[in-house]
Amino acid sequence: KQEVTQIPAALSVPEGENLVLNCSFTDSAIYNLQWFRQDPGKGLTSLLLIQSSQREQTSGRLNASLDKSSGRSTLYIAASQPGDSATYLCAVNGGNSGGSNYKLTFGKGTLLTVNP
Amino acid sequence: NAGVMQNPRHLVRRRGQEARLRCSPMKGHSHVYWYRQLPEEGLKFMVYLQKENIIDESGMPKERFSAEFPKEGPSILRIQQVVRGDSAAYFCASSLARGPGKTQYFGPGTRLLVL
Repeated sequence: KQEVTQIPAALSVPEGENLVLNCSFTDSAIYNLQWFRQDPGKGLTSLLLIQSSQREQTSGRLNASLDKSSGRSTLYIAASQPGDSATYLCAVNGGNSGGSNYKLTFGKGTLLTVNP
Repeated sequence: NAGVMQNPRHLVRRRGQEARLRCSPMKGHSHVYWYRQLPEEGLKFMVYLQKENIIDESGMPKERFSAEFPKEGPSILRIQQVVRGDSAAYFCASSLARGPGKTQYFGPGTRLLVL
């Protein structure tokens, strides 16, 4: 059974700081990994999707890396801004019994606060 | 192109009542997924449907919960005789097709509160 862990559970940083969020998963037989952003009371916004054959993806100030063999991913946020404050969720597709390629397994998230 | 729509956004029910949650997928999407987010927990897969078919309901409680995705109209997640433990955020996602490269787009969720 796939399990996803995110560390830290919460993070508070001053504006302008670079930061790293961590995600680990127990079964490396994944199809892809996705990072989402969730604002309070809102839905999920997909930030980056990394296929199992890829090592990293970049979008603006965000960079996500994937080390499939060790079961780890990191989300790097450069020059953080107060508007980046949200919960960041990591989700993997795959590694479940039955080999489904559509079930996303989520971590509990990292609550990020960027202070002005 | 409107995104995934869910309604109601908030729903309050008393114990024993029924809750009906609706999800309209993105235009052209025929694959719908429901996830539940309990307080302090991550999102958990519940059910995967295609038009008129339930493909995988392995994450859905065996009793009181049912889901459908008719040929016409939205997907419905139905919870009968709700209990306090059903209080959660229920998210719907849709995709253009099935497969690992097919992104699931999420709706804003329905927050169910059972009194």
